[in-house]
This record gives sequence, C-alpha cells and structure tokens, in this order.
Amino acid sequence: AQSVTQLDSHVSVSEGTPVLLRCNYSSSYSPSLFWYVQHPNKGLQLLLKYTSAATLVKGINGFEAEFKKSETSFHLTKPSAHMSDAAEYFCVVSGRIGNDMRFGAGTRLTVKP
Amino acid sequence: NAGVTQTPKFQVLKTGQSMTLQCAQDMNHNSMYWYRQDPGMGLRLIYYSASEGTTDKGEVPNGYNVSRLNKREFSLRLESAAPSQTSVYFCASGSEVNTEAFFGQGTRLTVV
Repeated sequence: AQSVTQLDSHVSVSEGTPVLLRCNYSSSYSPSLFWYVQHPNKGLQLLLKYTSAATLVKGINGFEAEFKKSETSFHLTKPSAHMSDAAEYFCVVSGRIGNDMRFGAGTRLTVKP
Repeated sequence: NAGVTQTPKFQVLKTGQSMTLQCAQDMNHNSMYWYRQDPGMGLRLIYYSASEGTTDKGEVPNGYNVSRLNKREFSLRLESAAPSQTSVYFCASGSEVNTEAFFGQGTRLTVV
C-alpha cells in the first residue's frame, strides 16, 4: 500500500520569498511522484513528475522538486513566490496498478503582497 | 483541445434520487478515473478503468457504480444519493499506469 503525507495544511509566504511545500511518501517499491496545483474552482494541473529518472525535477512556472529516497521525501520548491502561485497543491504517489494512486490532503499556499 | 470534459458542472439532488455523471476524453487514453474531493482529504479514488470494458474499485466505491462505455467515455452513477455523497467529483484520464493524469473541471454535487 502507498500513502502520502503533506506536512503542512497551510503555508503563507510574502511575494518574492522562497516557497517550500513538504511531502513525504510511503511505498513498497519505487514509485512515481507528482505535484499538482489547483486554483480556486478549477481542475488539477500537473506541475511536475518524477518517474525514476533525474532526482531533481523541474516543472512549470519555476517550480522544482527533489526526490530523496533516503528521506522518502519529494518537497516542492520555488525560489521566488508570485501572487499567481496562491492555490492548493497536492502531492501524489502512483504505483504499478491504476487504482494505487494516492493523493496527499493538500497544502494551501497563500502569497501576501 | 477539449481534454477531459465532465457534465454537469453543478447538480443538486434530493436524498434517494439517482443521477449519472458523464465524462469523456479525446486524448485516446486507456486509463480513466473517478475521484471525489472533500475538504482536508485530498482526492480519493472511487473507481478506475484500465481499458474499455474493465473497471476496478478504488478507495471509496460504496454507493457508486461506473460504466466504461467505450474508450472515450466513463460514467459514474449514484443509484440512491445520500448527503454523505455531497462532494466535488473529478474525472481524469491517463495514457498508462504511472503516468500523469489529466483532470476535468469537476462536478459540484450537493445532496439535500
């Protein structure tokens, strides 16, 4: 069985400061990992994905994440927050079968002017 | 560039009523999914279909049925709606297992 824990339900940063959204996972084998973003009243959009290639993954809108197997973590970062980054972010772990995809509870990012 | 299309976008049902949520994708994907999203719980998988004619239960299948009508379409049916099924429902599709899923815009369902 797989699981994901997003360590913060809410993160608040000032515009122009770094963003760190934390995610730990549990998996019986080498998983695929994803970060999705959801803006209010919208569907989910893929930010980036890790599928056993490079451990540092770059995504859209300046986001990146690093897969650390020893720490079972896949934290999402961005050097400088923008007002448009305010949204809900979901960390997702996917296994070998289609019904083995698990979402974290989500982290709501607030960006202050 | 339609991607994944869900209908309806909003629905209010009375307890005990039935309805079907429709989902269609135009990306020629094999896998399709139905999720529900509740506050503080992320998205939870209701049912999954690996290909036309096959379906599997996810984490929270009770009270729901699905039909994979063809490769494009995957519907979710509530036979007797309950207030606990008030939620936002998302359909998604993906080319293969372990690849990213593409999501529809969601259906906000309220059961009163």
